[in-house]
Amino acid sequence: DQQVKQNSPSLSVQEGRISILNCDYTNSMFDYFLWYKKYPAEGPTFLISISSIKDKNEDGRFTVFLNKSAKHLSLHIVPSQPGDSAVYFCAASAATGANNLFFGTGTRLTVIP
Amino acid sequence: GAGVSQSPSNKVTEKGKDVELRCDPISGHTALYWYRQRLGQGLEFLIYFQGNSAPDKSGLPSDRFSAERTGESVSTLTIQRTQQEDSAVYLCASSTKQGSGTGELFFGEGSRLTVL
Repeated sequence: DQQVKQNSPSLSVQEGRISILNCDYTNSMFDYFLWYKKYPAEGPTFLISISSIKDKNEDGRFTVFLNKSAKHLSLHIVPSQPGDSAVYFCAASAATGANNLFFGTGTRLTVIP
Repeated sequence: GAGVSQSPSNKVTEKGKDVELRCDPISGHTALYWYRQRLGQGLEFLIYFQGNSAPDKSGLPSDRFSAERTGESVSTLTIQRTQQEDSAVYLCASSTKQGSGTGELFFGEGSRLTVL
């Protein structure tokens, strides 16, 4: 049972435009959300996170938005750069008591120069 | 290096053989996790260590899978009598915090297992 869902397996965006990656979750106990980025033949690396007490967190070109009522979060990258081309994983956990992150299946972003 | 190190990077084995995958976490990280990613799937939690104890083994898919950790150091994931459905990339991660809820995980590059 996939508790974190990324329904778009791939996304292509022109360099300089905005990339929007979406993620939905089903478990209302989740209260901490993260995005990881993965290049081929490398392990995922942490990108940005958000706690459920916030609805937005921004770090440079990356912004994560959280809509708790819709159980939806999104990652915005603007402006997109060719080096952003990677697989992006959404992850969630219940900060209290949980020992693991639940990951989505990933979205492959291709930024076209 | 200073990151999480995993070995072997690639392993091809025959169905029915046992395999061992190794993980060296970042020095000082008390928490260690094993995940796997099968083709077309997300990362699937297997087991979590805090120190050398494993308070959460809920993700191990069968009794053919086991893992151990020496102190707050190396961990070994063992798969006995491998099956083709065990083919996946096995990822190890470590963290400074107990539980992953509020701490980021640092992943290794993974061990790609192919069972023929």
